Amino acid sequence: DSGVTQTPKHLITATGQRVTLRCSPRSGDLSVYWYQQSLDQGLQFLIQYYNGEERAKGNILERFSAQQFPDLHSELNLSSLELGDSALYFCASSAGPRRTDTQYFGPGTRLTVL
Amino acid sequence: GIQVEQSPPDLILQEGANSTLRCNFSDSVNNLQWFHQNPWGQLINLFYIPSGTKQNGRLSATTVATERYSLLYISSSQTTDSGVYFCALIGSNYKLTFGKGTLLTVNP
Repeated sequence: DSGVTQTPKHLITATGQRVTLRCSPRSGDLSVYWYQQSLDQGLQFLIQYYNGEERAKGNILERFSAQQFPDLHSELNLSSLELGDSALYFCASSAGPRRTDTQYFGPGTRLTVL
Repeated sequence: GIQVEQSPPDLILQEGANSTLRCNFSDSVNNLQWFHQNPWGQLINLFYIPSGTKQNGRLSATTVATERYSLLYISSSQTTDSGVYFCALIGSNYKLTFGKGTLLTVNP
């Protein structure tokens, strides 16, 4: 158990809908990261937050947005869902914002768009 | 961005065998991690190893940063070692870039 929690574990929804994925980092960690794992794209970095502020951005679609709240939990919002958004979404956390910080991954949320 | 290549893509072993997984990368690294993704999808941290050698039980890893490669050794493999092994690293930017992984199958 990495100490990173994600809810829900599974989510099934329809095209065009909007969903919110939630992540709580390990105790004491200030950075949160979101990743997407799909069959065709592999594991891809989406976005990083550090202490409430966006720190780095990867291949995140405009239909997706994220934020980190004052209690350090983070949410990833996915809107206007398409079939291709079906994937495993991971949250990770690290102690600080540095590139050298170890990232610990949560169990993931499996999103299925029908 | 940094390129990450893992080999072999697939590996089938009998229980008790040893194996070496390789990760080649295209640039200097600030962060290199090895993960095991089990059949349930969970990503488990194995090593944080941007340079040097580390050991944890039957697993060990070595990164030679100057030659841009890292190796993961699995000794006396068990069926529970099955899954996908990923190498992931951060170069000059802040993005953890994953390789495509090595799918390991350990048969009893």
